[in-house]
Amino acid sequence: DGGITQSPKYLFRKEGQNVTLSCEQNLNHDAMYWYRQDPGQGLRLIYYSQIVNDFQKGDIAEGYSVSREKKESFPLTVTSAQKNPTAFYLCASSIDLAGPVYEQYFGPGTRLTVT
Amino acid sequence: AQSVAQPEDQVNVAEGNPLTVKCTYSVSGNPYLFWYVQYPNRGLQFLLKYITGDNLVKGSYGFEAEFNKSQTSFHLKKPSALVSDSALYFCAVRVFHGSSNTGKLIFGQGTTLQVKP
Repeated sequence: DGGITQSPKYLFRKEGQNVTLSCEQNLNHDAMYWYRQDPGQGLRLIYYSQIVNDFQKGDIAEGYSVSREKKESFPLTVTSAQKNPTAFYLCASSIDLAGPVYEQYFGPGTRLTVT
Repeated sequence: AQSVAQPEDQVNVAEGNPLTVKCTYSVSGNPYLFWYVQYPNRGLQFLLKYITGDNLVKGSYGFEAEFNKSQTSFHLKKPSALVSDSALYFCAVRVFHGSSNTGKLIFGQGTTLQVKP
């Protein structure tokens, strides 16, 4: 899982509560990403960030928010507006967003269960 | 629409036999293709990528992939499977936003590889 840490590994919340998932990287990468993984659906992009204080919506941003105040940190907040928040959440980083050759490195993931 | 497809939900192979996990893609422009592996409750690990050049790409853990432009495929292969290769495998393609050089990955839905002793 390289130099990307996600915490906690498992997270349980009641419906209607906001929850923030942590993602930290020490790879000195500029770009960071958040994905959601559901069984049989692969990975879907929630948000991504190319530089500090800048981020863009991915394919399924509704009900989520992010911040990028530091290069190494990209926390994801799952709000009460997210209809089906129970999922496995993966954070990733890459050297840069531009340029075709850079693979993404993934953290170990956080499994969120909302009841 | 730009996309990537993995036509098999699961592939079963006996240990020691060759394995193939299939991937096809649809992109405008040059394809930039990746394979990742995921073990249970873990993040994804990068295996290999195709950017340009030789159609046969070698990667980690003895895996390789063959790029076929005419068939728009990028199948993952290994000459001799190990039980420890059992995992979920994802193919991904880099897509670009309009005229900018910024891009993102689109992932296939994943293929579960089961290697039996």
